[in-house]
Amino acid sequence: DQQVKQNSPSLSVQEGRISILNCDYTNSMFDYFLWYKKYPAEGPTFLISISSIKDKNEDGRFTVFLNKSAKHLSLHIVPSQPGDSAVYFCAASALVYGNKLVFGAGTILRVKS
Amino acid sequence: DVKVTQSSRYLVKRTGEKVFLECVQDMDHENMFWYRQDPGLGLRLIYFSYDVKMKEKGDIPEGYSVSREKKERFSLILESASTNQTSMYLCATRQGRSYEQYFGPGTRLTVT
Repeated sequence: DQQVKQNSPSLSVQEGRISILNCDYTNSMFDYFLWYKKYPAEGPTFLISISSIKDKNEDGRFTVFLNKSAKHLSLHIVPSQPGDSAVYFCAASALVYGNKLVFGAGTILRVKS
Repeated sequence: DVKVTQSSRYLVKRTGEKVFLECVQDMDHENMFWYRQDPGLGLRLIYFSYDVKMKEKGDIPEGYSVSREKKERFSLILESASTNQTSMYLCATRQGRSYEQYFGPGTRLTVT
């Protein structure tokens, strides 16, 4: 039973346009959410996060939105660049679970130039 | 800058062999984790450790064991490798009760 779901296995976007990656979760105890980016043959690297007390967090071209009532979060990348092509993992965590991360299956983003 | 290293980038082993995957970190983090990454399944937690000689099972511990004799080193052991353990293995560390984890480059293990 996957508690964190990324329903789009892949996404293709034109350079300069917006990329929107989605993530849904089922466990209402999750209180912190993270996005990781992974290039082939490398480990995941932290991208951006959001606490459940917020609905938006922005860092440069990356913005994460959280809709708690819908148990949904999204990552917006504007403008998208070819170097953004990677696998993006959504992860959720809860203090009550010792802050362990529960990951989604990942979405492959391809930015075409 | 956190540095997490893994002993091998690529490994090929035969069914039934005992396999050791090693992870070393240089940032004095208390917590260390082992995940495996498979297409369509994301990262799944195998084992984690919050202190030297301490270990906890993750979501998929069957067929694996771990060892943490020193704070900086966390080893994953496949007692008798099987083909369904062919995967990308990722080690991660975390400071205290923070949320962010730092990952090593991964070991691509193939069991034939």
